[in-house]
Amino acid sequence: AQKVTQAQTEISVVEKEDVTLDCVYETRDTTYYLFWYKQPPSGELVFLIRRNSFDEQNEISGRYSWNFQKSTSSFNFTITASQVVDSAVYFCALGLKTSYDKVIFGPGTSLSVIP
Amino acid sequence: DVKVTQSSRYLVKRTGEKVFLECVQDMDHENMFWYRQDPGLGLRLIYFSYDVKMKEKGDIPEGYSVSREKKERFSLILESASTNQTSMYLCASSFYARTFAIKFGPGTRLTVL
Repeated sequence: AQKVTQAQTEISVVEKEDVTLDCVYETRDTTYYLFWYKQPPSGELVFLIRRNSFDEQNEISGRYSWNFQKSTSSFNFTITASQVVDSAVYFCALGLKTSYDKVIFGPGTSLSVIP
Repeated sequence: DVKVTQSSRYLVKRTGEKVFLECVQDMDHENMFWYRQDPGLGLRLIYFSYDVKMKEKGDIPEGYSVSREKKERFSLILESASTNQTSMYLCASSFYARTFAIKFGPGTRLTVL
């Protein structure tokens, strides 16, 4: 089965708190890609990060960081010192190279950052 | 600024109507996609196209058809709209040779009454 699970449906934090969004994926493919997208209230999906299955290095970009652990099939996303502008729905996704770029999305986590 | 545009942000239609959702990209992308987004389900692929006049079914094609007569334009057609097709529809495009560099449009929120 190929699936992405985001167990947290909604999260609320107070501004400046750190928050971690969980993502667990399932696939039997050895080559795959993992993504995070942000969907602000305007609706347009914004690409945040792409990792391939052979690169388990964690990544930091400003206040954002990602922890990829193949052993637990997880690709978690942490926002440090959250801001109101971080309020959005965040999607984790799994990319598989088939006849096309197949992307399987998780159900999304709605993050509200309260001032 | 390169972009994917969708003809409407909001659309209200009646049950049984034929509905056209239009998507245009200005990046000369070979691949184009139509997704449907519903709360708790994420995005699900309806159809995709890898070339002009070529199309493939995604995970939930029932009740939908598509048309791609020109490279830059990909249309989603609801032959006879039903209330269970009320949803957010997202168009996307990508280059064939670039892995997963997918650009999304702003979405069309369709309500079928």
